[in-house]
Amino acid sequence: KNQVEQSPQSLIILEGKNCTLQCNYTVSPFSNLRWYKQDTGRGPVSLTIMTFSENTKSNGRYTATLDADTKQSSLHITASQLSDSASYICVVSAFINAGGTSYGKLTFGQGTILTVHP
Amino acid sequence: NAGVTQTPKFRVLKTGQSMTLLCAQDMNHEYMYWYRQDPGMGLRLIHYSVGEGTTAKGEVPDGYNVSRLKKQNFLLGLESAAPSQTSVYFCASSYSYSGSYEQYFGPGTRLTVT
Repeated sequence: KNQVEQSPQSLIILEGKNCTLQCNYTVSPFSNLRWYKQDTGRGPVSLTIMTFSENTKSNGRYTATLDADTKQSSLHITASQLSDSASYICVVSAFINAGGTSYGKLTFGQGTILTVHP
Repeated sequence: NAGVTQTPKFRVLKTGQSMTLLCAQDMNHEYMYWYRQDPGMGLRLIHYSVGEGTTAKGEVPDGYNVSRLKKQNFLLGLESAAPSQTSVYFCASSYSYSGSYEQYFGPGTRLTVT
Protein backbone atom coordinates (compact mmCIF):
# COMPACT_ATOMS: atom_id res chain seq x y z
CA LYS A 1 0.00 0.00 0.00
CA ASN A 2 1.34 3.43 -0.96
CA GLN A 3 1.97 5.56 2.08
CA VAL A 4 3.47 8.94 2.91
CA GLU A 5 4.42 9.65 6.50
CA GLN A 6 5.43 13.08 7.73
CA SER A 7 7.13 14.18 10.90
CA PRO A 8 6.76 15.95 13.14
CA GLN A 9 2.97 16.36 13.21
CA SER A 10 3.39 19.89 14.49
CA LEU A 11 6.25 22.26 15.16
CA ILE A 12 6.57 25.62 16.87
CA ILE A 13 9.56 27.85 16.18
CA LEU A 14 10.56 31.45 16.74
CA GLU A 15 10.66 33.91 13.88
CA GLY A 16 14.06 33.96 12.20
CA LYS A 17 14.93 30.37 13.12
CA ASN A 18 15.43 27.52 10.65
CA CYS A 19 13.53 24.25 10.65
CA THR A 20 13.41 20.96 8.78
CA LEU A 21 10.35 18.85 8.04
CA GLN A 22 10.60 15.17 7.18
CA CYS A 23 8.77 12.91 4.75
CA ASN A 24 9.14 9.14 4.33
CA TYR A 25 7.30 7.32 1.59
CA THR A 26 6.55 3.89 0.21
CA VAL A 27 5.12 4.67 -3.21
CA SER A 28 5.80 2.88 -6.45
CA PRO A 29 6.31 3.27 -9.27
CA PHE A 30 7.75 6.62 -8.21
CA SER A 31 7.19 9.55 -10.54
CA ASN A 32 7.88 12.66 -8.51
CA LEU A 33 7.68 14.17 -5.04
CA ARG A 34 6.05 17.48 -4.26
CA TRP A 35 5.90 19.76 -1.27
CA TYR A 36 2.83 21.93 -0.85
CA LYS A 37 2.10 24.77 1.55
CA GLN A 38 -1.47 25.08 2.80
CA ASP A 39 -2.50 28.18 4.67
CA THR A 40 -5.46 27.87 7.03
CA GLY A 41 -8.71 27.93 5.06
CA ARG A 42 -6.98 27.85 1.69
CA GLY A 43 -6.05 25.26 -0.90
CA PRO A 44 -2.55 23.77 -1.13
CA VAL A 45 0.03 25.69 -3.15
CA SER A 46 3.00 23.97 -4.75
CA LEU A 47 6.47 24.79 -3.40
CA THR A 48 8.66 22.29 -5.24
CA ILE A 49 8.42 19.26 -7.51
CA MET A 50 11.31 16.80 -7.72
CA THR A 51 11.75 13.86 -10.05
CA PHE A 52 13.82 10.76 -9.40
CA SER A 53 17.04 12.30 -10.66
CA GLU A 54 16.84 15.50 -8.60
CA ASN A 55 18.13 15.47 -5.04
CA THR A 56 17.83 19.17 -4.17
CA LYS A 57 15.50 21.92 -5.23
CA SER A 58 15.09 25.41 -3.86
CA ASN A 59 12.30 27.95 -3.94
CA GLY A 60 13.41 31.07 -2.13
CA ARG A 61 13.85 30.21 1.56
CA TYR A 62 12.49 26.70 0.98
CA THR A 63 14.89 23.89 0.07
CA ALA A 64 13.67 20.37 -0.55
CA THR A 65 15.89 17.31 -0.68
CA LEU A 66 15.15 13.87 -2.00
CA ASP A 67 16.92 10.59 -1.33
CA ALA A 68 15.26 8.12 -3.68
CA ASP A 69 17.31 5.22 -2.30
CA THR A 70 16.05 5.61 1.25
CA LYS A 71 12.70 7.05 0.08
CA GLN A 72 13.04 10.12 2.24
CA SER A 73 12.58 13.81 1.61
CA SER A 74 13.01 16.89 3.73
CA LEU A 75 11.88 20.48 3.48
CA HIS A 76 14.20 23.03 5.05
CA ILE A 77 12.92 26.51 5.80
CA THR A 78 15.53 29.18 6.35
CA ALA A 79 15.07 32.36 8.40
CA SER A 80 11.42 31.65 9.13
CA GLN A 81 8.80 34.37 8.90
CA LEU A 82 5.38 34.68 10.51
CA SER A 83 3.84 34.04 7.07
CA ASP A 84 5.46 30.60 7.03
CA SER A 85 2.87 29.45 9.58
CA ALA A 86 0.92 26.83 7.63
CA SER A 87 0.55 23.13 7.01
CA TYR A 88 3.26 21.63 4.80
CA ILE A 89 2.20 18.60 2.84
CA CYS A 90 4.46 16.03 1.21
CA VAL A 91 2.91 14.40 -1.86
CA VAL A 92 4.34 11.51 -3.84
CA SER A 93 3.19 10.72 -7.35
CA ALA A 94 3.09 7.25 -8.88
CA PHE A 95 2.61 7.07 -12.65
CA ILE A 96 -0.05 4.53 -13.53
CA ASN A 97 -1.47 3.24 -16.80
CA ALA A 98 -4.94 1.80 -16.25
CA GLY A 99 -7.35 0.82 -18.99
CA GLY A 100 -5.73 3.06 -21.56
CA THR A 101 -5.78 6.08 -19.26
CA SER A 102 -2.58 7.57 -17.94
CA TYR A 103 -3.13 8.53 -14.38
CA GLY A 104 -0.62 9.95 -11.95
CA LYS A 105 -1.85 8.77 -8.59
CA LEU A 106 -0.94 11.19 -5.80
CA THR A 107 -0.52 9.98 -2.25
CA PHE A 108 -0.73 12.81 0.27
CA GLY A 109 0.93 12.94 3.66
CA GLN A 110 -1.11 14.17 6.59
CA GLY A 111 0.96 17.35 6.79
CA THR A 112 3.15 19.08 9.36
CA ILE A 113 1.59 22.09 11.03
CA LEU A 114 4.23 24.79 11.44
CA THR A 115 3.64 27.73 13.75
CA VAL A 116 6.08 30.62 13.74
CA HIS A 117 5.96 32.86 16.80
CA PRO A 118 7.34 36.40 16.95
CA ASN B 1 -6.79 34.89 -14.45
CA ALA B 2 -8.72 33.50 -11.47
CA GLY B 3 -7.11 30.04 -11.54
CA VAL B 4 -9.37 27.48 -9.87
CA THR B 5 -12.56 28.67 -8.23
CA GLN B 6 -15.10 26.73 -6.18
CA THR B 7 -18.67 27.47 -5.19
CA PRO B 8 -20.05 27.52 -2.61
CA LYS B 9 -17.41 28.22 0.06
CA PHE B 10 -19.54 26.85 2.90
CA ARG B 11 -22.64 24.71 3.07
CA VAL B 12 -24.66 22.94 5.75
CA LEU B 13 -26.87 20.05 4.69
CA LYS B 14 -29.23 17.76 6.52
CA THR B 15 -28.84 14.02 6.11
CA GLY B 16 -30.47 12.88 2.90
CA GLN B 17 -30.33 16.23 1.13
CA SER B 18 -28.53 16.64 -2.18
CA MET B 19 -26.22 19.29 -3.50
CA THR B 20 -23.74 20.05 -6.26
CA LEU B 21 -20.33 21.63 -5.84
CA LEU B 22 -19.02 23.57 -8.80
CA CYS B 23 -15.40 23.87 -9.81
CA ALA B 24 -14.22 26.14 -12.59
CA GLN B 25 -10.75 26.71 -14.03
CA ASP B 26 -9.59 29.25 -16.58
CA MET B 27 -6.18 27.73 -17.38
CA ASN B 28 -7.41 25.47 -20.20
CA HIS B 29 -6.32 22.40 -18.23
CA GLU B 30 -7.31 18.95 -19.44
CA TYR B 31 -7.18 17.22 -16.05
CA MET B 32 -9.45 18.05 -13.13
CA TYR B 33 -9.85 16.42 -9.74
CA TRP B 34 -12.02 16.39 -6.65
CA TYR B 35 -10.46 15.68 -3.26
CA ARG B 36 -11.70 15.59 0.29
CA GLN B 37 -9.61 16.59 3.29
CA ASP B 38 -10.40 15.28 6.74
CA PRO B 39 -8.62 16.11 10.03
CA GLY B 40 -5.43 14.12 10.55
CA MET B 41 -5.58 12.60 7.08
CA GLY B 42 -4.03 13.43 3.78
CA LEU B 43 -6.17 14.59 0.87
CA ARG B 44 -7.98 11.72 -0.78
CA LEU B 45 -9.05 11.61 -4.41
CA ILE B 46 -12.79 11.20 -4.99
CA HIS B 47 -13.10 11.40 -8.78
CA TYR B 48 -11.05 12.82 -11.59
CA SER B 49 -11.41 13.72 -15.26
CA VAL B 50 -8.85 13.49 -18.05
CA GLY B 51 -10.86 15.64 -20.43
CA GLU B 52 -14.24 17.01 -21.38
CA GLY B 53 -16.91 14.33 -21.21
CA THR B 54 -14.76 11.81 -19.31
CA THR B 55 -14.69 10.95 -15.62
CA ALA B 56 -13.14 8.21 -13.52
CA LYS B 57 -13.25 6.98 -9.96
CA GLY B 58 -10.56 7.83 -7.49
CA GLU B 59 -9.78 6.44 -4.08
CA VAL B 60 -13.06 7.24 -2.27
CA PRO B 61 -15.83 7.59 -4.90
CA ASP B 62 -18.80 6.06 -3.02
CA GLY B 63 -21.66 8.47 -2.42
CA TYR B 64 -20.45 10.97 -5.02
CA ASN B 65 -21.06 11.55 -8.71
CA VAL B 66 -19.30 13.89 -11.11
CA SER B 67 -19.77 15.41 -14.51
CA ARG B 68 -17.50 17.27 -16.92
CA LEU B 69 -19.75 18.64 -19.64
CA LYS B 70 -17.45 21.57 -20.35
CA LYS B 71 -13.67 21.55 -20.24
CA GLN B 72 -13.51 24.36 -17.74
CA ASN B 73 -16.06 22.97 -15.27
CA PHE B 74 -16.09 19.90 -13.03
CA LEU B 75 -19.15 19.24 -10.88
CA LEU B 76 -19.29 17.08 -7.78
CA GLY B 77 -22.70 15.84 -6.68
CA LEU B 78 -23.95 14.35 -3.45
CA GLU B 79 -27.28 12.64 -4.09
CA SER B 80 -28.10 11.79 -0.47
CA ALA B 81 -25.74 13.43 1.98
CA ALA B 82 -24.50 11.51 5.03
CA PRO B 83 -22.68 12.81 8.14
CA SER B 84 -19.59 10.87 6.97
CA GLN B 85 -19.40 13.29 4.05
CA THR B 86 -18.71 16.22 6.37
CA SER B 87 -15.37 17.41 5.08
CA VAL B 88 -13.50 20.09 3.19
CA TYR B 89 -13.64 19.51 -0.54
CA PHE B 90 -10.93 20.71 -2.88
CA CYS B 91 -10.96 20.87 -6.62
CA ALA B 92 -7.72 20.89 -8.59
CA SER B 93 -6.63 21.02 -12.20
CA SER B 94 -3.48 20.30 -14.15
CA TYR B 95 -2.27 20.60 -17.73
CA SER B 96 -1.32 16.96 -17.92
CA TYR B 97 -0.51 14.10 -15.63
CA SER B 98 2.99 13.04 -16.33
CA GLY B 99 6.36 14.26 -15.27
CA SER B 100 6.38 17.44 -13.27
CA TYR B 101 3.07 19.07 -14.16
CA GLU B 102 1.72 20.47 -10.95
CA GLN B 103 -1.85 20.57 -9.73
CA TYR B 104 -3.48 23.89 -8.94
CA PHE B 105 -5.99 23.81 -6.12
CA GLY B 106 -9.09 25.83 -5.48
CA PRO B 107 -9.85 27.48 -2.11
CA GLY B 108 -12.06 24.65 -0.89
CA THR B 109 -15.68 24.11 0.13
CA ARG B 110 -16.43 23.35 3.77
CA LEU B 111 -19.42 21.01 3.95
CA THR B 112 -21.19 20.01 7.14
CA VAL B 113 -23.86 17.30 7.10
CA THR B 114 -26.03 17.17 10.22
